[in-house]
Amino acid sequence: GAVVSQHPSRVICKSGTSVKIECRSLDFQATTMFWYRQFPKKSLMLMATSNEGSKATYEQGVEKDKFLINHASLTLSTLTVTSAHPEDSSFYICSARPPPEGAHGYTFGSGTRLTVV
Amino acid sequence: SQQGEEDPQALSIQEGENATMNCSYKTSINNLQWYRQNSGRGLVHLILIRSNEREKHSGRLRVTLDTSKKSSSLLITASRAADTASYFCATALIQGAQKLVFGQGTRLTINP
Repeated sequence: GAVVSQHPSRVICKSGTSVKIECRSLDFQATTMFWYRQFPKKSLMLMATSNEGSKATYEQGVEKDKFLINHASLTLSTLTVTSAHPEDSSFYICSARPPPEGAHGYTFGSGTRLTVV
Repeated sequence: SQQGEEDPQALSIQEGENATMNCSYKTSINNLQWYRQNSGRGLVHLILIRSNEREKHSGRLRVTLDTSKKSSSLLITASRAADTASYFCATALIQGAQKLVFGQGTRLTINP
């Protein structure tokens, strides 16, 4: 089946530093990937839609300069949390939809637990 | 923004019993999907039901969709301890096609 690989699974960083999270589709091409944020015992909040070869589309209220998204190839999207602060600590999850469209659900990465100290 | 609401927020039952979770949404959809999440992990797709379908089965799972009421239900029959997880419904909207909007989720606990 379709697999989305997300790395790292856990990261601890100091305030003010930047952290990059990678999301790869292993056995299919994904022109679009999605980045979510999840707080403890809460649902997933869509942050942005990553588009291969073009700018990401951010949801309302999500800071573009804070959460940089790059989708340089058909199998890789990255989320960089810039100048991280403790309030950025969260669980970040990426997803992509394997073809054919409309026939399957989305495949999710295993998530990245970010802790900013 | 989240458009789905799930009911109940938490459910605890004995192993072997059936578990039913409900989901309501607000806008017209292309399809509705159910996902499972074990604590601290990614989501696993369970089942997709299209807007022109009313019921769908997959193993011990049964999903219904009522577009007139904008609601769906997920039934897990003969529950097992391994079914303990959070379950989320997600809607794929007709407009802005590819985005999934998630419900608040139901935390299901199966007691052995």
